[in-house]
Amino acid sequence: QSALTQPRSVSGSPGQSVTISCSGTSSDVGGYNFVSWYQHHPGKAPKFMIYDVNKRPSGVPDRFSGSKSGNTASLTISGLQAEDDADYYCCSYAGTYNNYVFGTGTKVTVL
Amino acid sequence: QVTLKESGPTLVKPTQTLTLTCTFSGFSLTTSGVGVGWIRQPPGKALEWLALIYWDDDIRYSPSLKSRLTITKDTSKNQVVLTMTNMDPVDTATYYCAHKYSSYFGSWGQGTLVTVSS
Repeated sequence: QSALTQPRSVSGSPGQSVTISCSGTSSDVGGYNFVSWYQHHPGKAPKFMIYDVNKRPSGVPDRFSGSKSGNTASLTISGLQAEDDADYYCCSYAGTYNNYVFGTGTKVTVL
Repeated sequence: QVTLKESGPTLVKPTQTLTLTCTFSGFSLTTSGVGVGWIRQPPGKALEWLALIYWDDDIRYSPSLKSRLTITKDTSKNQVVLTMTNMDPVDTATYYCAHKYSSYFGSWGQGTLVTVSS
């Protein structure tokens, strides 16, 4: 099972919006509505930000939103803030054999 | 509040077996739908899912590592143990355990860095 494909990096100024794509196949992203997103500040525990494609757990700002079209999921961060500077990983359920697959990771830089 | 903490050796030699323990609180591995997973991250690389164990003893492994992994649980101690045999320098990584509920990994430990070197 190959990792889901994400852009290596995206950047934006405070207040701007950025979108991170997560490209998979019909066996993972496209086949299930079980995509989740994780924010990771190096040296800290990853934090989950989005689940089931577009659901936001309590405590996560509504600046974070998720979506999916075909085999590609996306995470959008609106109104970028300095604390959003981190690595972001998508994750998708990939069936009973492969179970879970993570994305390659995207570094978000707030300029 | 859900917390998890990984523990184990920081250095193992090639061909040795790695044993990591995840000690958790704030949830029970006897609750329907709950699982604990292991995920690792080699330095500078992406996250990689390794294994999952569920409340009902259902166990899942990454197909690429299945032959080397064993995951077990001790519900009385609130612990999950992962063993990985035949360690290699490419297995050098930070290993995380995480609470799984429904379709996502909701809470993670801080991770433990394991270096494989002679």
